[in-house]
Amino acid sequence: NAGVTQTPKFQVLKTGQSMTLQCAQDMNHNSMYWYRQDPGMGLRLIYYSASEGTTDKGEVPNGYNVSRLNKREFSLRLESAAPSQTSVYFCASSEMTGGTYGYTFGSGTRLTVV
Amino acid sequence: EDQVTQSPEALRLQEGESSSLNCSYTVSGLRGLFWYRQDPGKGPEFLFTLYSAGEEKEKERLKATLTKKESFLHITAPKPEDSATYLCAVLPLAGAGSYQLTFGKGTKLSVIP
Repeated sequence: NAGVTQTPKFQVLKTGQSMTLQCAQDMNHNSMYWYRQDPGMGLRLIYYSASEGTTDKGEVPNGYNVSRLNKREFSLRLESAAPSQTSVYFCASSEMTGGTYGYTFGSGTRLTVV
Repeated sequence: EDQVTQSPEALRLQEGESSSLNCSYTVSGLRGLFWYRQDPGKGPEFLFTLYSAGEEKEKERLKATLTKKESFLHITAPKPEDSATYLCAVLPLAGAGSYQLTFGKGTKLSVIP
């Protein structure tokens, strides 16, 4: 099915380790986003990419970096994982920035940092 | 700062018992208000976008309405398969956060057979 694919689905890291979360969409969307979801906090934007070649910070960017590899792929990197980064991470895409036609979300990556 | 408050946090309904979920928002100009459904272990699934006060949209047993300060998601004769967390989000019209959806914390709906 068309949509947003995230890998891996689950990951356990030790404090200080690094990893990259991968995201790919096959809907020819221009804009892509990374959110984190924590209990009692709601979804919060980490970074977004309005179009290929551009990236910008969202509400909670500290400790993360992103790469818009091409129009389809948008990766999120944790350089030195901390327990505070334990969360569920969602990638999303939309036809245009702001996504008034609706964002399409992936199924998430559940990350635990010990 | 844009804010979205959803109530109640949790709602238990008997099958067939209609009710409404509330989303109150403050935003400096509204480009759009979104409703999403999220099942456990999955990403949010888009339901509706509302753009202006007075607008209504329907999908099966769900009907979303919008005023200048709040939105309601009405659920008519719910079924157990409607059980999920319903998320509300706003997109501001302009400014530094105009690309950023602000989400509420959600209402967890349980429909009991």
